[in-house]
Amino acid sequence: LAKTTQPISMDSYEGQEVNITCSHNNIATNDYITWYQQFPSQGPRFIIQGYKTKVTNEVASLFIPADRKSSTLSLPRVSLSDTAVYYCLVGRNTGKLIFGQGTTLQVKP
Amino acid sequence: EAQVTQNPRYLITVTGKKLTVTCSQNMNHEYMSWYRQDPGLGLRQIYYSMNVEVTDKGDVPEGYKVSRKEKRNFPLILESPSPNQTSLYFCASSSRTGLGSPLHFGNGTRLTVT
Repeated sequence: LAKTTQPISMDSYEGQEVNITCSHNNIATNDYITWYQQFPSQGPRFIIQGYKTKVTNEVASLFIPADRKSSTLSLPRVSLSDTAVYYCLVGRNTGKLIFGQGTTLQVKP
Repeated sequence: EAQVTQNPRYLITVTGKKLTVTCSQNMNHEYMSWYRQDPGLGLRQIYYSMNVEVTDKGDVPEGYKVSRKEKRNFPLILESPSPNQTSLYFCASSSRTGLGSPLHFGNGTRLTVT
């Protein structure tokens, strides 16, 4: 099982770009990298997923280098509503899963 | 609407009184799992089920039981709850047929054991 390491917390200001990096040195060949966002008292929700290179959707981008031992979630021009906990999960979203502690992002006005 | 439904949202009980937290999904997902979330510890997997009648332990299974008699339901059972099981619980499901199909989470059950 791939263990992940993320910063515990990050601060940012409205309108800035935020990059959260996740380390996953023992990622397996068939593992995906999935990021989830969690607001207080709610269940985590899917943001973005990738296997290699770069993935972009309407809310975020995910950058994955060639060796896949890390990944970076990029949130463009954050707003106060992006304040949340962000989890990086490595695997196939099935079977035994290990979530890290997540990164608490605080966006300030 | 595709969703994972947990009940109840809030539960206060006393030590030793058996309880069940229900989880149901309407997406025909094969995979279901339970997590507990405690401050500073993130999400920890309790049990998971790859399909009907197939369940397995996650990282923190002690004190919990599960069953998967039907595809849509995956109840979490605490036979004799203790105060250290006070926590926020989440159920999740995903499709095993979709490559890396993301997890869908319920809105959580906040359990307090006194």
